[in-house]
Amino acid sequence: SQQGEEDPQALSIQEGENATMNCSYKTSINNLQWYRQNSGRGLVHLILIRSNEREKHSGRLRVTLDTSKKSSSLLITASRAADTASYFCATGPLPQGAQKLVFGQGTRLTINP
Amino acid sequence: SQTIHQWPATLVQPVGSPLSLECTVEGTSNPNLYWYRQAAGRGLQLLFYSVGIGQISSEVPQNLSASRPQDRQFILSSKKLLLSDSGFYLCAYKKGGGETQYFGPGTRLLVL
Repeated sequence: SQQGEEDPQALSIQEGENATMNCSYKTSINNLQWYRQNSGRGLVHLILIRSNEREKHSGRLRVTLDTSKKSSSLLITASRAADTASYFCATGPLPQGAQKLVFGQGTRLTINP
Repeated sequence: SQTIHQWPATLVQPVGSPLSLECTVEGTSNPNLYWYRQAAGRGLQLLFYSVGIGQISSEVPQNLSASRPQDRQFILSSKKLLLSDSGFYLCAYKKGGGETQYFGPGTRLLVL
């Protein structure tokens, strides 16, 4: 069954604005990861946040994690046309669990020039 | 550095024909290997994963199979393709002890 669910399914903003995407999950996790996929390409890892962390930054990316609400958010600041892509969250298993990630359905982000 | 290859990049096959997609990883040993399928505009569905040579875990019952004949080689196969097998197939690896998956460029399969 699908673990992560992204919201919104699609987001269209103007270049320079901030983009926020949300992810909810159902079970206990070891970490939560965000990936980006350009059209017709493979996924690229963006950032990983562990279950004992609340916030993490990487360049223009800011990720938060609220384990009590089983939710995470990805903020992209000062968006650029090159940020146009689909963004997926994926939950990482507990150490004793099966070594696989469970991906959500993704948010399709469009940055308009 | 590590790299992951998939081929072919695109494939058009008739219904009922066999399938073989190959994925190879360079620059790391004993990786975990994964096969995903992605329908157009949708998320990733995990099909198979492997934690070692000859060890395959199947996630979804279907007419596909996977094999890992060598440490860094992962093959996705079918004896008879169905129309519903069309999609974008992605291979990924995870280094032993790592947490991040690294994806190949994908194979777009169209079954007619």
